[in-house]
This record gives sequence, structure tokens and C-alpha cells, in this order.
Amino acid sequence: QSVLTQPASVSASPGQSITISCTGSSSDIGDYDYVSWYQQHAGAAPKLIIYEVTRRPSGVSNRFSGSKSGNTASLFVSGLQAEDEADYYCFSYTSTSAYVFGTGTKVTVL
Amino acid sequence: QVRLVQSGTEVKKPGSSVKVSCKASGDIFAPYTMHWVRQAPGQSLEWMGWINTDNGNTRYSQNLQGRVTITRDSSASTVYLQLGSLRFEDTAVYFCVRASMKHIVFWGQGTLVTVSS
Repeated sequence: QSVLTQPASVSASPGQSITISCTGSSSDIGDYDYVSWYQQHAGAAPKLIIYEVTRRPSGVSNRFSGSKSGNTASLFVSGLQAEDEADYYCFSYTSTSAYVFGTGTKVTVL
Repeated sequence: QVRLVQSGTEVKKPGSSVKVSCKASGDIFAPYTMHWVRQAPGQSLEWMGWINTDNGNTRYSQNLQGRVTITRDSSASTVYLQLGSLRFEDTAVYFCVRASMKHIVFWGQGTLVTVSS
């Protein structure tokens, strides 16, 4: 199965907002609302920040939100903070009962 | 709180195989889906496969089909990843993770596997 496509990098100044896209196909993102997003700081294990496209786990800042349109899911981060500087990955269930990660996006806070 | 504790660092020769373990504690072992995910140095995450801890059903990434086997020992609350015919590009940190529905909630600490001649 192929990976989900994300922009390699996104950067913005503190307080600004960013959107990270995650493009798949009708066999994964387009067919299921099982898209999740993970934040990974350097040297650490990833952390779940969004699941089932739009849902936010307890304890995750409401500055993070998710959406989906067709075969593309998006992660929106508002009021960017220095602590948001990390790598972000999308993850989706697929029609073959397999899963696939995105290519990853490095977020830089200028 | 669920805790996933993985076995230690491995150094392997090309063509050999490696077996990594992951012991779960803090919650019931089954029925959950446990996955293995790997991350090569400086690279993105790669999903490898899952096992249903209740019935032992598995599903593997097509990219690794034939080289990867995931098993479980329910009596020991432990899942295992075996990867064979190792190549230099299999050098990575391997994570066991526990899923809830279709997203990953808990991560092990990671096991570094280095393939080197």
C-alpha cells in the first residue's frame, strides 16, 4: 500500500495558524473516518492529538483540530506556540484492513 | 495506565532475523489490537502489522509480507515481532503500540535494531 502524502515542512510565527494536509485515496482516507494525527518531538515517541478525523483526546489543547474532505484530511493548529515545533504524522485505516502513515511534516515555529 | 515495555537494543547481521518482545501491563491484555511501527533514522513512521490479542488474527504490511511475523503469548501479556532476511535498511527504532478502535493510544519505549556487517 502507498503512504499518505504530507507537505515536508510548514513554518509560521508564534500566534499564527497552520494547516497540514494529508492526501490519500478512496481506499483509505476517502472511505473511512479513521484518520488520526500524531505529534512527535525529537527523541520522543509520538503522541495522539486527533482521532477519528475530528476528535481530540482528553488533555490535548483545543488549538488542534482536524477535518476531512474527500481523500484529504487536514490538521489545523491555531495560535502557534514554540512547544508546537515537532513532526506531525497522519495515519489511516485502509480497505484491506491494513493501516498507513503519512510522510510526515516538520513544523517550525519561526 | 497501560505500560508497554519492550526488549533491548539488537545488533544483527544482514540476512539474519530479529525477535523483539513487548510486555503489556496496567490493563487487561485482550481484546485489543497491538501493532508494530518502525522509524528509520531521520525518516517517517512505517506501519508494519497488527495482531488481535484475543484470537491471534494478524495483518501485515504488503511491503514486509513474507519477512514479518507477529505473535502473542496471552499468558504473559506479551506480543512479539519477528523480522527475517534483515537488510541494512531495516535499521530502525521499532515500537509496539496498542490501538483503541482504529487509532494508536499507547506506545512502547522503542527498540533500536541495527543491521550491520
